[in-house]
Amino acid sequence: SAVISQKPSRDICQRGTSLTIQCQVDSQVTMMFWYRQQPGQSLTLIATANQGSEATYESGFVIDKFPISRPNLTFSTLTVSNMSPEDSSIYLCSGRMGWTSTDTQYFGPGTRLTVL
Amino acid sequence: GNSVTQMEGPVTLSEEAFLTINCTYTATGYPSLFWYVQYPGEGLQLLLKATKADDKGSNKGFEATYRKETTSFHLEKGSVQVSDSAVYFCALYNAGGTSYGKLTFGQGTILTVHP
Repeated sequence: SAVISQKPSRDICQRGTSLTIQCQVDSQVTMMFWYRQQPGQSLTLIATANQGSEATYESGFVIDKFPISRPNLTFSTLTVSNMSPEDSSIYLCSGRMGWTSTDTQYFGPGTRLTVL
Repeated sequence: GNSVTQMEGPVTLSEEAFLTINCTYTATGYPSLFWYVQYPGEGLQLLLKATKADDKGSNKGFEATYRKETTSFHLEKGSVQVSDSAVYFCALYNAGGTSYGKLTFGQGTILTVHP
């Protein structure tokens, strides 16, 4: 299994600023992901964080807005850039051990972001 | 592509009532199916999973059976408790095609259990 922690757990930010969220996994995971959960909504995949290379973004998400780093198998960061109130969401980090359908995907506790 | 549809909520029950949350899916091949639970103010936790047809996943009194013929994975519990109040997400993982490595989530069902 894997335990995932995120920092900060919550933040209130001003419009136009940027926030970097850190994700730490207690064991090596093959794949890491970043999700957004808007109030009362389901989870939307932002991107797959690739170790040592550029992240793979889903439709509707771009690197300039959500730059992601993954320097090793246990750590990743997501930056929310030039924030607006529409970016107010919970941001969740996730990791899975392998690619097969039997591998479990684990989630961090989330970072609750409010943009004023 | 892959998709997951859950019954609309919110669901409100009295303690010790029987719970069913419906989940149906669309996918090619042989996906794995999951139920995740999100307690208030927390992240998602895996509740149970099933990786092939007719498998039954179970945990904490919850059960779900992978029914390929009806493309369903309904969540059930015989007697709910107040502590089961949470948001429940049905999810699908398909190792093939363009969805490789990605979970597809349903919209979530809010469950509230009253004493």
